[in-house]
Amino acid sequence: DADVTQTPRNRITKTGKRIMLECSQTKGHDRMYWYRQDPGLGLRLIYYSFDVKDINKGEISDGYSVSRQAQAKFSLSLESAIPNQTALYFCATSETGQGADYGYTFGSGTRLTVV
Amino acid sequence: RKEVEQDPGPFNVPEGATVAFNCTYSNSASQSFFWYRQDCRKEPKLLMSVYSSGNEDGRFTAQLNRASQYISLLIRDSKLSDSATYLCVVRRGANNLFFGTGTRLTVIP
Repeated sequence: DADVTQTPRNRITKTGKRIMLECSQTKGHDRMYWYRQDPGLGLRLIYYSFDVKDINKGEISDGYSVSRQAQAKFSLSLESAIPNQTALYFCATSETGQGADYGYTFGSGTRLTVV
Repeated sequence: RKEVEQDPGPFNVPEGATVAFNCTYSNSASQSFFWYRQDCRKEPKLLMSVYSSGNEDGRFTAQLNRASQYISLLIRDSKLSDSATYLCVVRRGANNLFFGTGTRLTVIP
């Protein structure tokens, strides 16, 4: 099994629909992140969580919400999807402290298309 | 101004060639520096960290110039398997990573 698992892998949804992307990890890391990747823009941080009770907005949180249900689970919701939220979404984890210096572990991504 | 800027390429090089990628970062408070590799439609994976003294991992050499806010990656003796997008990444603050848009490399037989 992958260390960081994202579901679904691909999703097509209609404008205005609510959609949830899920992420679970077996790394035992406290810190979890949601990024989106768009051509020409690189990865941009949506939300991050340093533990179950800690949720922080990233660079582009508008239109998104998250829930940290447990240390191992971090879900991303689009309450009312719009076409410019079409992107590749990645969940990632890292160790506490300077853990980023040891690398983030990314899930394999969710390709979301809003039509 | 973007936190991290890279030449998007693409770089098309023959097998065995040496290729160099450059990256600049805008915030002098950036603390740690990395190169990630991303294969087409896959997740990014850490290739190597970049240290002030420069560091090498096999055919890969990374350099950092803090005064110029410049990072480089050199790949010697390119292999077909090196074809990928290379992301320049900097850390500023606790676990906040900023990603460049990536430089695409294709190694040609």
